[in-house]
Order: sequence, then structure tokens, then C-alpha cells
Amino acid sequence: KAGVTQTPRYLIKTRGQQVTLSCSPISGHRSVSWYQQTPGQGLQFLFEYFSETQRNKGNFPGRFSGRQFSNSRSEMNVSTLELGDSALYLCASSRQGTIDEQYFGPGTRLTVT
Amino acid sequence: AQSVTQPDIHITVSEGASLELRCNYSYGATPYLFWYVQSPGQGLQLLLKYFSGDTLVQGIKGFEAEFKRSQSSFNLRKPSVHWSDAAEYFCAVGKTGANNLFFGTGTRLTVIP
Repeated sequence: KAGVTQTPRYLIKTRGQQVTLSCSPISGHRSVSWYQQTPGQGLQFLFEYFSETQRNKGNFPGRFSGRQFSNSRSEMNVSTLELGDSALYLCASSRQGTIDEQYFGPGTRLTVT
Repeated sequence: AQSVTQPDIHITVSEGASLELRCNYSYGATPYLFWYVQSPGQGLQLLLKYFSGDTLVQGIKGFEAEFKRSQSSFNLRKPSVHWSDAAEYFCAVGKTGANNLFFGTGTRLTVIP
């Protein structure tokens, strides 16, 4: 069974631009969560989608948004990029919407210049 | 609110030596606890989890962890470390009804020959 895939793996953007990251969960998994990993703040939860609905949201500004499609694939968008948005963005999928094992993708490394 | 503390930022052990990584959590209800490992440039791999039942849980790669409610701890152990175990280890806590995890700051493990 294929694991969680994230595209692109690396991305360089300029301040003020916007970016869209994509995540394909493991087949049959309906929950997708997004996390931001930085050296200073560590791993922080962004949001979770289950059956195309955002169920939980972390403490991030509204510039961070996401969505989930009917095939469970998910995208996250960051608008008006800031230097501090440089991070590794990790996507994780789970079979169900209650607490469950989360399987992580390799991440997208975003660099904002 | 949940929180996780990993008091050791960096640990160095000799190959073949035993290992214990500490994790303390704060959560009012029954916690759901996880240990993940991250190799450089990679996503997170689940080592083991505790949801309920036997407080000593076995995971992959020869790791085990013990849940001690009285000490609010979930320490990770391995009897004999291999050079390939060098990585960063994260303890995380979750709650029922949600797939958002709160991670500790991680412990970087160095293995010397």
C-alpha cells in the first residue's frame, strides 16, 4: 500500500506570494492533518480535515487555509507569505476521525525569501 | 490543555548500550500517547502508541514504552541501540475525538561506535 505522498517536496517563494501544498493520503484513509515544523517552534498542528470538513484548527492566522476533496486528497494554502512561514510542512493521514494512528508524509520544505 | 515535555534535547549513547528517552505529559483525561522517529530530511514514523490496556507497549525496531499514570510519563526504551537508531525522537499526546497531536520538542539521539 502506498504511503502518504506530498507534492512538491521543495519550494522556494518570495514574501507576499501565496503557495499551495498537496497531500495524498493512504488509500482508505479519510482524515488528513497538517503540521508545521520549524526549529524554533517545533511541530505544531495546523488543521485536520475529515470527510471534506475541517474538524480541528490550530492556532495559526487566517492566512493558512486548507481543504479536502471527495477522494480525501487535501491541499493547504498559505497566502501573503512571510519569512517566518519557512518550514517543513507535514501531512498525516488516519483511517478514521477519532484518535487514531497518524501516518506522515515526507513533507514539503518551504523556503520564503 | 495538553502539553508534552521531553527534558533531554540531545542524548549520546554507545552502540549496543541501552537507551531511555523521557517523556512527561500533561492532560486532564486519559491520554493517547505516541512515539515517533524522524530521520534527517524525512517525515515522522510511528514507533508505538498507547491507547489503553497493558501499560507496557511494544513497538517497531525493538522499542518499547511504559505508561505510568502516577508519574505522567511515557518513556521510550531500547535494550541495545544500533547505529541506525540515530535520529530525532518525538513524544506526542492526543485526545479522543480528534486527530491533532501535541508534540514534545524532541530528543536528538547520537549513536557512537
